[in-house]
This record gives sequence, structure tokens and C-alpha cells, in this order.
Amino acid sequence: SQQGEEDPQALSIQEGENATMNCSYKTSINNLQWYRQNSGRGLVHLILIRSNEREKHSGRLRVTLDTSKKSSSLLITASRAADTASYFCATDVREGGSEKLVFGKGTKLTVNP
Amino acid sequence: DGGITQSPKYLFRKEGQNVTLSCEQNLNHDAMYWYRQDPGQGLRLIYYSQIVNDFQKGDIAEGYSVSREKKESFPLTVTSAQKNPTAFYLCASSIGGAVSYNEQFFGPGTRLTVL
Repeated sequence: SQQGEEDPQALSIQEGENATMNCSYKTSINNLQWYRQNSGRGLVHLILIRSNEREKHSGRLRVTLDTSKKSSSLLITASRAADTASYFCATDVREGGSEKLVFGKGTKLTVNP
Repeated sequence: DGGITQSPKYLFRKEGQNVTLSCEQNLNHDAMYWYRQDPGQGLRLIYYSQIVNDFQKGDIAEGYSVSREKKESFPLTVTSAQKNPTAFYLCASSIGGAVSYNEQFFGPGTRLTVL
């Protein structure tokens, strides 16, 4: 069951520029999470935003959530080559009395030095 | 160091063989998960366990089996019934409770290739 979809699929920028990635989802959520994955590695949790929050910051990361539009954005400011990775949003889906996280296909970010 | 480990990093399997992927965590987490990732794709949930001796099927459980005899361990067996097992397998854990409120901690993954 596909819940979150990231946009764009790939993004290439220069070091120092800002990178914005978007996530859209279909059904109501409790929270939305963003994860990062370096090539061939496991995912690392970046930030969790609750459904009653509109914006959250963590270092160079800024996440927004618009529940009326069922969308979220992840902004990385002053990007560095080390930010090169894939970024995934994850939303909660409730099915048959159980709850699970569903991940999108990700945005592949390349930051060129 | 606290963390979640997976072994082996690379695994090669001949068609018709069962293989078992190891996942161990020392974070004292109640919940553990197995995901499959194909190139350019997101993660798909195979199995999850919220507590010892209990587990549930995810979205793509066919051809896979798991056990949860210890809190720290959640091994995944890829059986010969799995038609296309070549993929990157990720194990994760969380403190438990509501999935949506807790971050998941991931292992480094096992890349399985069927020869």
C-alpha cells in the first residue's frame, strides 16, 4: 500500500544551495517522519513532525506539514557534499487493527562540490 | 555501543536454497521489523514483531519466515518459495507501542543475490 510519494525523484544542486523535497500522502496521519539513506546503507531517522505541528527545525533541516493538502516538505539549507543521499518520508497507515510505517520511493539528492 | 547489526553484509544463494539473515539489537527495543528494498524503490514491510514470541505478516510476507524467540534477535529466512529474492534487506527496531510515534533504528542491511 503506497502512502507517501516524494517529489522530485532526483535532485542535483551545488554545494551551498538549498534543497527542497516534497512528500504527499493519501490518508490522514498521526505523524510524518523523514529518513536519510546513504548509498548501500541503512536508513537514519532525521525528524518526526506531529499532525498538529506545522513546522519543525533540526540544525540545517526544516520540515513543514500541511495536513489540509496532505503534504510535507523537507528543506536542507546550505547543503554540503556530505548531504548526498536518498531521503524518504514515512507515514503511519492503519490496516486491520494494526499500524505500520509506509515509506515512499525517496528523493535522490546529489550535492556537487 | 548500542545498535542494531545485520549479518552477513553480502549473501549469495543458489536457486532452491533457503537462507537465513541475522538481525540483532542491543537497544532493549520491543519492536523489530524486516523490510525489503529493490533498486530505486522504497521499503516494503515483510514481517514485524511487537513482542517476543509474536509476529505479524507485512505487505510481502509470501516466501519468507521469521522467529522471535529472544528480544534481541529477529532472524529472517528467505525460502525457496520466494520467486524473486534478490534485493537489499533491512532490519529495524523501535521501542514499541504506536508505530507512528517512534523512530525506527536501522541496521546496515544485507544484500542478497540469487545465482
